Amino acid sequence: AQSVTQLDSHVSVSEGTPVLLRCNYSSSYSPSLFWYVQHPNKGLQLLLKYTSAATLVKGINGFEAEFKKSETSFHLTKPSAHMSDAAEYFCVVSSGGGADGLTFGKGTHLIIQP
Amino acid sequence: GAVVSQHPSWVICKSGTSVKIECRSLDFQATTMFWYRQFPKQSLMLMATSNEGSKATYEQGVEKDKFLINHASLTLSTLTVTSAHPEDSSFYICSARAGGSDVEAFFGQGTRLTVV
Repeated sequence: AQSVTQLDSHVSVSEGTPVLLRCNYSSSYSPSLFWYVQHPNKGLQLLLKYTSAATLVKGINGFEAEFKKSETSFHLTKPSAHMSDAAEYFCVVSSGGGADGLTFGKGTHLIIQP
Repeated sequence: GAVVSQHPSWVICKSGTSVKIECRSLDFQATTMFWYRQFPKQSLMLMATSNEGSKATYEQGVEKDKFLINHASLTLSTLTVTSAHPEDSSFYICSARAGGSDVEAFFGQGTRLTVV
């Protein structure tokens, strides 16, 4: 069994300040972890993924995340927020490939204040 | 990255009619495809998982006779909402995975279905 908890349903930051979106997971196996971003009425775009290689993962648009097994966390960060970062962010865990499903967090709505 | 194309991006239909949504993997062979439903301001809810050439596996509570899924080829899966009703109005998203141990899934752009 696996699960994902996104600790904040909404996060509001000012443009130019750091972003932190928190995600904790549980999994019976060595998990793969993903962060996706969704803009209104759009599909999901992959920001970054962790698949048992380096624990600090760099993604697109300046985002990065660190896999911490001891804390079962995979928090998403960005040093400086941009207005275009305003969107919904989903943390996702997968225990395998093939037909093994993805388990989604409930999402975090990121608001960027001008 | 790999591209998954979902069509149409939005559709309006009358109650009682059927609507077909297509999901295509454009540059890879998708052994497994997933269909999700997303309610406003909520996360994605997995409806069903389909493997090419076999019947889809539906999640509990999803009516398989209402949401018909066909995965006849390695690049195409379709979701047909039969006898649609206003409560079926939602955002539907597909995703696709290549075979083997590849864990990354690629998502379509979603379909906004409105039943009037």
